[in-house]
Amino acid sequence: DTGVSQDPRHKITKRGQNVTFRCDPISEHNRLYWYRQTLGQGPEFLTYFQNEAQLEKSRLLSDRFSAERPKGSFSTLEIQRTEQGDSAMYLCASSLGGQGGEQYFGPGTRLTVT
Amino acid sequence: KNEVEQSPQNLTAQEGEFITINCSYSVGISALHWLQQHPGGGIVSLFMLSSGKKKHGRLIATINIQEKHSSLHITASHPRDSAVYICAVRSIQGAQKLVFGQGTRLTINP
Repeated sequence: DTGVSQDPRHKITKRGQNVTFRCDPISEHNRLYWYRQTLGQGPEFLTYFQNEAQLEKSRLLSDRFSAERPKGSFSTLEIQRTEQGDSAMYLCASSLGGQGGEQYFGPGTRLTVT
Repeated sequence: KNEVEQSPQNLTAQEGEFITINCSYSVGISALHWLQQHPGGGIVSLFMLSSGKKKHGRLIATINIQEKHSSLHITASHPRDSAVYICAVRSIQGAQKLVFGQGTRLTINP
């Protein structure tokens, strides 16, 4: 399978715990995006990497959130001290460089904070 | 006001009907995407448009840059078309992120 993969697919955690999600993009894609989608809403942008550089972060990305892409391949998104409001689907997408690059989405990680 | 607005938010139709979903946006864009999301969350890209019209099977997408409006049409709709359809735009301001509409939940009854 050469698509975008995400792990885990589902995560249930208690409020206050830390969680980490992983995204593996399509191998030749140099751009990687994280989005968050709450129930009944469209996805919202969180952050974007070009290779290993994090080029843009949304104001939605509070200081409890951190994302890395250490070798320009896979990326991790960590949420510290989770809150119930963090419950959402976390989507990863990747694309090839250039203005016309179409984004390909992973299956998402559904986080439930109890 | 959201930068990307879709209508309707919910649409129920009978199998075989012609479906239209509309998307209006308020920013200058470099591209507009139509995406399909099934229960369970996976998102599939249907079209990426910067002008004109594209067709793939029973799906047709059009865009009018001057009016900042796009439509997604489904001909001969089928229950398997039931999904959430999302419009997303990429701004010309240089950011690579997509800005999404809220989605249109489509249900096709047999």
